[in-house]
Parts: sequence; structure tokens; C-alpha cells
Amino acid sequence: DVKVTQSSRYLVKRTGEKVFLECVQDMDHENMFWYRQDPGLGLRLIYFSYDVKMKEKGDIPEGYSVSREKKERFSLILESASTNQTSMYLCASSSRTGLDFGQGTRLTVV
Amino acid sequence: SQELEQSPQSLIVQEGKNLTINCTSSKTLYGLYWYKQKYGEGLIFLMMLQKGGEEKSHEKITAKLDEKKQQSSLHITASQPSHAGIYLCGADHFTSGTYKYIFGTGTRLKVLA
Repeated sequence: DVKVTQSSRYLVKRTGEKVFLECVQDMDHENMFWYRQDPGLGLRLIYFSYDVKMKEKGDIPEGYSVSREKKERFSLILESASTNQTSMYLCASSSRTGLDFGQGTRLTVV
Repeated sequence: SQELEQSPQSLIVQEGKNLTINCTSSKTLYGLYWYKQKYGEGLIFLMMLQKGGEEKSHEKITAKLDEKKQQSSLHITASQPSHAGIYLCGADHFTSGTYKYIFGTGTRLKVLA
């Protein structure tokens, strides 16, 4: 079974902090994605990567950056956390049957 | 604007009742996926549909993709409390020269015992 693992289930950070959300997949998938999920808005794509060191902006990249130094790891970075970035963050990697998701990280910025 | 419209937004049914969730796109879908999410957790893959008219079933859940590949429905027969959660449809979407996955806003299902 594919396993997509996010480093934290819950995080609480202060406004202005730099925040790292880590995601690791163990199936050698090339494509990886970061989404945020908010009530009434569904899943919105922040960034995705189709190869090591490659990244593409999704629909809402503002305030975020990503890093893909190794194939199995895709990191989401909040350069200076703000309260409107409080959300559920979901990492995924793609296979022939769609996306395999991590368990999610619920981030609260206070 | 949301490119995948999902309805209803929420649903409360009595255990044992059947229900249907719909997912509609204004564009032809190359692949349509259904996921289930338990509250506060990640998404679990249910089914993938690719061909117009395709229908798949898993236990008491059946998903169909219409001939035009613009609408899909998810049907649950004889619902149980274990079916409760958020159901999301997702699709491959080719835009600006690349494929992206897009999602509906989800349907929140509650099953009353």
C-alpha cells in the first residue's frame, strides 16, 4: 500500500513564524501535491511538483513556498504565518488510480 | 468559481435509506474520482471512472459516469452509520498545458442510527 505521511497531525503556530509542513511518500511517485481544505471551499491546490527540484504554482500559492530536494519528500513552507492560513493541509502523491493522501495537518495560527 | 459542482452540500439520512450524491462539470472529464473523508482526517480513495457510461460498485456504494463524461453520481444503498463522512469528487483537469486535480466542495453525510 502507498503510504503518504505528514509529519504532524496538529500544529499551533504564532503569527509571523516560519512554518514547515513535511510530507513523505514511499512509492517513488513523481507527482506530489499540497492542498488546503476549508469549509465551503473544498480542496484548493497550493503547489504541486512533478519531479525533484520542480515546482508549479497551484490556485492559491500566495504566502507559501515549497521544496522538493528528494523524490520522496515535498515540503510546504509558510514564510510568515498569518491567521488566514489556519486550515487543514493535505499532501498527496499521484498514482494511476488518482491521488493518495496523507492524514492531514490541522494548522492553527494564533 | 468551482469547476466541479457537488450536490447536496449536506445530507442527513436514517440508517437503511438509500442516497445519491452528484458531481457535475461544465467540461469533459478525463478521469473522475470519488473519495471519502472521515472528519479531520485525510481522503480515502473509493473509485475511479474513466469511460463514458462506466459504472463501478464496491460493497454498497455504486458510482456512475454519464456518457458525456460531465456528470457522476455516487449511490449508497441501505446506508449505515459507517458511511458517515465527507464525500468528495475529484477530476483530472487539463489547463494551461498541464494536468491538475480539482475537487468538488464535498458532501457531508450523516447517518442516523
